[in-house]
Formats: sequence, C-alpha cells, structure tokens
Amino acid sequence: AQKITQTQPGMFVQEKEAVTLDCTYDTSDPSYGLFWYKQPSSGEMIFLIYQGSYDQQNATEGRYSLNFQKARKSANLVISASQLGDSAMYFCAMRETDSSYKLIFGSGTRLLVRP
Amino acid sequence: EAGVTQSPTHLIKTRGQQATLRCSPISGHTSVYWYQQALGLGLQFLLWYDEGEERNRGNFPPRFSGRQFPNYSSELNVNALELEDSALYLCASSLDRSSYNEQFFGPGTRLTVL
Repeated sequence: AQKITQTQPGMFVQEKEAVTLDCTYDTSDPSYGLFWYKQPSSGEMIFLIYQGSYDQQNATEGRYSLNFQKARKSANLVISASQLGDSAMYFCAMRETDSSYKLIFGSGTRLLVRP
Repeated sequence: EAGVTQSPTHLIKTRGQQATLRCSPISGHTSVYWYQQALGLGLQFLLWYDEGEERNRGNFPPRFSGRQFPNYSSELNVNALELEDSALYLCASSLDRSSYNEQFFGPGTRLTVL
C-alpha cells in the first residue's frame, strides 16, 4: 500500500530565510504523482507544487521548489525567503494509481514563520 | 475562473440527525472527491465521483453516501450522525481521471455534531 510520511509535526523559521519540509513516500508503482498543499487556519487546501515520478527536473513554482530524490523516495518542499503568510499546515500527498486516483496525505507539518 | 465552492460553511447537528453537504466543482471539471479531516488528523478519502457515477469509496460506513448531478456538482449525505463525525469536510475537483491532474480544493464545510 502507498504511504506518505511527514516526520516534522512542527517547524519554525525566521522571516526571509529558507525552510525545508520533509516528506518520504512508499510505493511499488513506477508511475506516481506527488503533491504539496498548504492549509491555512481557514481550512482551505491550497495546491502548491506537483512532481511526477518521470519528471527529469525538480519542480519549481515561484518560492516553492521540490527536492525530489527518487532513489531515497523523498520529496521535500523547500520554501525560499519565508514570509509571515507562509505560516500554515503543509501536507505532502501522493496520487493513488489504482482505480480511484484519490490522494493519500501525510500527517502534515505546521510551519510558523517568526518576524 | 471560480474555484471549488462548498456550502454550508458551518453546520451544526445533533446525534442521529442527517447532514447534507454540497460542492460545486471548477467549471469543466468532471471528477469530485470528498475528504474528511477530523481534528488533529490528516485527510481521509471518503468518496470519488466522476461523470455522474460513484467510482470509489474509502473506508467509511454506508451511512456516508452521496451523488453527483448532471452538472457535476456533488452532494455528501451523512445519516445517523455520530459525535465522531465532527470534522472538516473538504471537496476537491479534478479535470478528469488522469493521475497527473491536481485536485483543487474548496474551503470546506465544518460539521459539528452535538
């Protein structure tokens, strides 16, 4: 069965610094997709970045980049130049490749950006 | 382009009652997913609808059900409410069944069961 693990329940980062949020995954399927979502206190899940298993390059979206290490089965999110508005829960997720295509989520990391 | 919308924002019910939650996907999206996020827990997959059909369901009892309408909007029904059903219910839509399409989430419905 596919599984997502986020080992950091909470993280602090100073404003304007970079921070890495860890995510490891487990799957036996050679084709899969990895996603990162941000969940502010309002509850809405905001899509941040996507990495496909066959993508040759690490995904980047503005201040977000994904450090994809396939052999180690890790897909860490890097946020550069942290802003106060980045304070939120961050979830790593994998798309099921069975007939459901549902997302399997990790337990999340709460990031707090200090001024 | 309007995002995924959900109604109501908040819903308060008592044990044994029924709750109905609604979701409108992004225009052009045919797949709708429902997730439950109980307090302190991660998101758990509930149901998936595509092209008007229930395609898959998560490990939830049958009192969790729903449907998808011809305009691709969806409804989640929870019968015989229990206290542990209190959670944030998130709906997500996706362009189609492709595994490479991201799911876009709505703001959620916070259900409280007293």
